[in-house]
Amino acid sequence: QVQLVQSGAEVKKPGASVKVSCKASGYIFTSHYMHWVRQAPGQGFEWMGIINPSGGGTSYAQNFQGRVTMTRDTSTSTVYMELSSLRFEDTAVYYCARFGLGSTWGQGTLVTVSS
Amino acid sequence: EIVLTQSPGTLSLSPGERATLSCRASQSVSSNYLAWYQQKPGQAPRLLIYDASSRATGIPDRFSGSGSGTDFTLTISRLEPEDFAVYYCQQYGSSPYTFGQGTKVEIK
Repeated sequence: QVQLVQSGAEVKKPGASVKVSCKASGYIFTSHYMHWVRQAPGQGFEWMGIINPSGGGTSYAQNFQGRVTMTRDTSTSTVYMELSSLRFEDTAVYYCARFGLGSTWGQGTLVTVSS
Repeated sequence: EIVLTQSPGTLSLSPGERATLSCRASQSVSSNYLAWYQQKPGQAPRLLIYDASSRATGIPDRFSGSGSGTDFTLTISRLEPEDFAVYYCQQYGSSPYTFGQGTKVEIK
C-alpha cells in the first residue's frame, strides 16, 4: 500500500535550518507530485510548496520563497524539505502529502524552534 | 489565491444526527478539485472526499460531498461516535493550494 514515512521530531534554535525527509513506498515514486504542508499548534494547514519527483522541478508558496528548498533522491524514493532561518513561529508539524485521488499524507514531523 | 471559508466554525450535534458542513471559495475551483479531510487530535488528516463528490477508498457511505464552482458541502448522514473531529476542505485545482480554516464537529 502507498506509504509516506517521515523523519523524526527536531528541536532547533532560531536562525538554524532543519531538513525533513519523506520516504515513499507502494507506488512509482516519479509518477506523483509531492507537496509539503505545515500545521502550527492548534491551527489549520499552510501549503509550502510542491516538487516533481521526476524532474526535480519545484514551486514554492510566496510566504516561504527564499527560505525553503525541496529536493528528491530517486534512488531511495525520498523527498526532502529544508527550511532555513528558523523563527519561533515556524514551530509546527510538517507533512509531506500527495493530493487528489489517492491522497496520502506522511505521519508528520514536529519541528520545535526554541532558544 | 483562492480563499476557502468554512462554516460553521463549530457544529454541536448528537450521535445519529445529520451534519452539513459548508465550504465557500472566493473564486471558482478549477475542475472542482475540492477535497474534504477529517482530522483527529495527534493524527494526520484522512481523505474523505476528492474531486468534490467522489468518496475515497474505505470511506463509509454516510459521508457524501456535493457542489461545484464556489460552493461545496460535506454531509454526514448519521453521525457515529468516531465522526466527532475537525473537518477541512482543500482546493488543489490551482496554486497556491489552499485549505479552509476547519469545522469542528463536537458532541452536544
